[in-house]
Amino acid sequence: QIQLVQSGAQVKKPGASVKVSCKATGYTFSNYGITWVRQAPGQGLEWMGWISAYNGNTRSAQKFQGRVTMTADTSTSIAYMELRSLRSDDTAVYYCARGSMAAPGWKFDPWGQGTLVTVS
Amino acid sequence: EIVLTQSPGTLSLSPGERATLSCRASQSVSSYLAWYQQKPGQAPRLLIHGASSRATGIPDRFSGSGSGTDFTLTISRLEPEDFAVYYCQQYGSSATFGQGTKVEIK
Repeated sequence: QIQLVQSGAQVKKPGASVKVSCKATGYTFSNYGITWVRQAPGQGLEWMGWISAYNGNTRSAQKFQGRVTMTADTSTSIAYMELRSLRSDDTAVYYCARGSMAAPGWKFDPWGQGTLVTVS
Repeated sequence: EIVLTQSPGTLSLSPGERATLSCRASQSVSSYLAWYQQKPGQAPRLLIHGASSRATGIPDRFSGSGSGTDFTLTISRLEPEDFAVYYCQQYGSSATFGQGTKVEIK
């Protein structure tokens, strides 16, 4: 079945960087995109950005521009999201989800299980 | 950035009752709107896309309607497993989420 499996929880110091991976199985990775969404404790969902696994195009939300890098390795079907200059308010569960190959906006389905990143 | 406003913030209902959730966009998103369900400790699950199309495996008690700026998610008869938080998401221009509506047991 179509599945996204994310890397495990991480604890980082303020100012450090974190890199989260998202391995896709059950579909042709390069025919879709991967979007990244985060959820701070007790809060709602926040769209961070998107990468097309087809051509590597990316788009990020304005608040993350310059601080986030998204990549996709079609040889391993793994997408990565790196967030730099971490602050305490970056503590959140980070999700990947399958999206469109062509544009950042689309339905997101399925989702990974989430990766808790704690900045402390 | 398109802002989505969901109402109410919390809906207190009993099993078997009808739930009506609203999502309003700050500008038209045509029918590029999705709804997700999230239970505690779980990832969100896609329920509705294209404003009114149910995702694969979603029961027909869930229905979506609307276009432009005003959208509704209706759960015709609440089952115990439907008590959760629901988010709308627009994909007419990039992507943004509403702040969520919690459906709780009365």
